[in-house]
Amino acid sequence: DVVMTQSPLSLPVTLGQSASFSCRSSQSLVYIDGNTHLTWFQQRPGQSPRRLIYKVSNRDSGVPDRFSGSGSGTDFTLIISRVEAEDVGIYYCMQGTHWPYTFGQGTKLEIK
Amino acid sequence: EVQLVESGGGLVQPGGSLRVSCVVSGFNFNVYWMSWVRQAPGKGLEWVAHIKNDGSEDYYVDSVKGRFTISRDNGKNSLYLQMNSLRADDTAVYYCARDGGWGAVDFWGQGTLVTVS
Repeated sequence: DVVMTQSPLSLPVTLGQSASFSCRSSQSLVYIDGNTHLTWFQQRPGQSPRRLIYKVSNRDSGVPDRFSGSGSGTDFTLIISRVEAEDVGIYYCMQGTHWPYTFGQGTKLEIK
Repeated sequence: EVQLVESGGGLVQPGGSLRVSCVVSGFNFNVYWMSWVRQAPGKGLEWVAHIKNDGSEDYYVDSVKGRFTISRDNGKNSLYLQMNSLRADDTAVYYCARDGGWGAVDFWGQGTLVTVS
C-alpha cells in the first residue's frame, strides 16, 4: 500500500500568519492518464471531513483563496496564507491513484 | 442540496454482525462511485470499501476483505455495508462518502458509530 507521511503532526500558528503542511507519498501519485490524484481534507473538531483541494491544486468552491495546494510526484504541500480561527482542525492528505486509497496521519492545526 | 444520512450503527459483540446504511438525496446516485470510510476514536481516516456506480465492481482494504460487503440499491438511493465477524479494531465512526473521482470525496455523511465490545 502507498504510505502517506504528513509533517508536522502538530502545527501551532499565530492568527494571520501562514501555515504549511507537508505530505509525502511512498510512490509516485501520477496516474496513467497523467493526472495526480492527491486530495486535501479539513476536519474541524466534531465534524465530518470536508474536501479543500483535489488533483493537487484545484480548490473546491466555497474554499477561501487563502488555501492553496502544490506539488508533484511524491511531494505535496498545502498552504494557508493567513490563518483564521475557523481553520483550526486536522488536515489530511489522501492519494487516489493506487488502490487501496490511503490517507496521511493528519496534521493538527492549532492557534498559538 | 446533497445529503448523505447514515444509520444502523450501534454496539455489537466481537464476532457479531451489523449492517449500516446510507440514504442519499440531492444528486443522481447512479452516476457516482460510493465509499465507506471509517475513523477509529481519536484516530485518522481509513478507506474501507468502494463500489462502482452500477454496483458491478467493489474494492476493499485488506483488513476487512472477506468480512465486509459493500452494496447499493440505486432504485432506493441507498448504500450499505454488511459487516461480519466484527473485531474490536473495527470500532469506528463509519462515513458514507460520495466519490468525486479517484477518491476525492466531495460529500460526506455525518457518520454512524459502530462499537465492537
